[in-house]
Order: sequence, then structure tokens, then C-alpha cells
Amino acid sequence: EVQLVESGGGLVQPGGSLRLSCAVSGFTFSSYWMHWVRQAPGKGLVWVSRINSDGSSTTYADSVEGRFTISRDNAKNTLYLQMNSLRAEDTAVYYCARDFGTGATIPHYWGQGTLVTVSS
Amino acid sequence: DIQMTQSPSSLSASVGDRVTITCRASQGISNYLAWFQQKPGKAPKSLIYAASSLQSGVPSKFSGSGSGTDFTLTISSLQPEDFATYYCQQYHNYPLTFGGGTKVEIK
Repeated sequence: EVQLVESGGGLVQPGGSLRLSCAVSGFTFSSYWMHWVRQAPGKGLVWVSRINSDGSSTTYADSVEGRFTISRDNAKNTLYLQMNSLRAEDTAVYYCARDFGTGATIPHYWGQGTLVTVSS
Repeated sequence: DIQMTQSPSSLSASVGDRVTITCRASQGISNYLAWFQQKPGKAPKSLIYAASSLQSGVPSKFSGSGSGTDFTLTISSLQPEDFATYYCQQYHNYPLTFGGGTKVEIK
């Protein structure tokens, strides 16, 4: 069974940093691209970032470019999102998701999400 | 960025109704279109990819169609478990972008 479990969310002050983790199991992690998608309270889904299978290529939404860094440790089956210079508008539930694969860049299997609240 | 516009933003329907949701892309995306279902407090679930291909395990009451800029998601006979919010997502270009969502409520 595919499982993704996010952790690391919490309350942080504006300008602060937070590192999210996503531990996966039930599939060969090193074979799949991975995504982070966020959802502000009561709002829609917003794609944040993706990383390829070996970590050599990353892409970001403009809103987080230069502030967030996606990375992965294939030996630990874990995906990360380092978030710096956090703003109030970054407040959201952050989901990690495994790509569908087969060339379709779709967040396919999703974790349960972790809430990040940026507030003073 | 490619903008994805869904309509309606919400709808009320009865059990057994046929429901259609539309999604329009701001530029042509071929068939690089996915649909998701999200229930309150839960993670999204992937329903359809490549505009019309059902994900494994998704019931055949769900169907998708379209190409280019205009797409539809149809639920042939609405059941209580289908009341949720539905999102389209394009994967033709980065950044990946989602529609604003369509909330399907019980009439």
C-alpha cells in the first residue's frame, strides 16, 4: 500500500523558516518524481514544487522561487521542503504527492497534509 | 502561466442526477488534463488523467472528455459519496495549475 506521511508543520513567525518532511512507503521512491501542493484554509489547490527521481532537477512556482527548496533522500525514502522567509500568505496545508509516472506530471498519491501557519 | 477556469463554482444536485462540470484552459493544452475529487478534511484523490482516462479503481460513473481548451467531467448518476469538491489540473506546462474547484452539494 502506498503511504505518504508529512510532518514538520506548525506555527512560525513571518520571516521564519520551517522544514517539512514526507516519509513514503509502499513503492520504489527512487523511481518517481515527487510534488508539494498546498491549500490555504478554505481555498483551492496550488502546486508548489516538483523534483525528479534522482533529485537533479527541480521546478518551483513563482510565488516560492528563491525561498523554498525541495529535496529528497532516496536512501531514507523521504522528501523535504525547506521553507525560508515565510510570509502570512504561505499559511496552508502542505501535501506531498507522488507523481503518476508514465510521463504524466500529475500528483497521484497524496499524503494527509501538514498545516503551516505563519503568524506573529 | 496557464489559467484554468472551472464552472460552475458550486452546484446543488440530487442523488441520481447526471452532473457535468466544465474546465477551460487559457491556452491549448492538448489532452494534458487531470481531474481530482476532494472531500472535506481529506487529501485530493486522482480520478482522471489524459482528459478521459480513468485512474485504476475509479468507478465508471465518472467520465471525462475534451481536448485543446475545453474539458468536461461528468458523473452519470450522483451518489451520496460523490458530494465533494472537484478540481481540474493541467500538466501541459509548468507551473502546474489547478482550476478553482467545483463544490457539488446535496439539493
